[in-house]
Amino acid sequence: GQNIDQPTEMTATEGAIVQINCTYQTSGFNGLFWYQQHAGEAPTFLSYNVLDGLEEKGRFSSFLSRSKGYSYLLLKELQMKDSASYLCAVRGRDDKIIFGKGTRLHILP
Amino acid sequence: DSGVTQTPKHLITATGQRVTLRCSPRSGDLSVYWYQQSLDQGLQFLIQYYNGEERAKGNILERFSAQQFPDLHSELNLSSLELGDSALYFCASSVEGQGFDEQFFGPGTRLTVL
Repeated sequence: GQNIDQPTEMTATEGAIVQINCTYQTSGFNGLFWYQQHAGEAPTFLSYNVLDGLEEKGRFSSFLSRSKGYSYLLLKELQMKDSASYLCAVRGRDDKIIFGKGTRLHILP
Repeated sequence: DSGVTQTPKHLITATGQRVTLRCSPRSGDLSVYWYQQSLDQGLQFLIQYYNGEERAKGNILERFSAQQFPDLHSELNLSSLELGDSALYFCASSVEGQGFDEQFFGPGTRLTVL
């Protein structure tokens, strides 16, 4: 079957670094996305990985290992506004998109 | 503001009824996606259209249907509504609809079925 797993909740401290993991099992692979979603709002795009390795974008980085079916999102210099849900999503070979249930990140001052 | 518009913002209806949700993509985007988000299920991909044609189908119930019109706006029709259909329905649009293609999400329509 097709499945995406990520932790339900995480807590980190303002100014610190946090890593949110995502593992996936899908039929085919056409890329992995990370989205940020604040409560009651629409998701917004953070990153896209299709090749193995690290993609860096400011305070956010995303890593992909296709052989392991594994990705992580790394958030540095955490700010209070980073408190949100982080959604991992995979586009399969047939262009179907599967989302994980999201990781709720709580930032403590 | 993502540039994607959805109407209505809120919809309250009764079981057994039928509703239509509307989405206008960003200017220049050819692809439209529909998602359902409920508290216990997370974000579920329903269906994708590209330039008027269905491109990919997810977990869309037979009671639900969608289409994309020549002007590229899209409608999601939900019929024989059940209590479990209460959710936030998002529309997203993108340029190409495949591979790396950033999706821009609309603000959503909150559907409540009583």
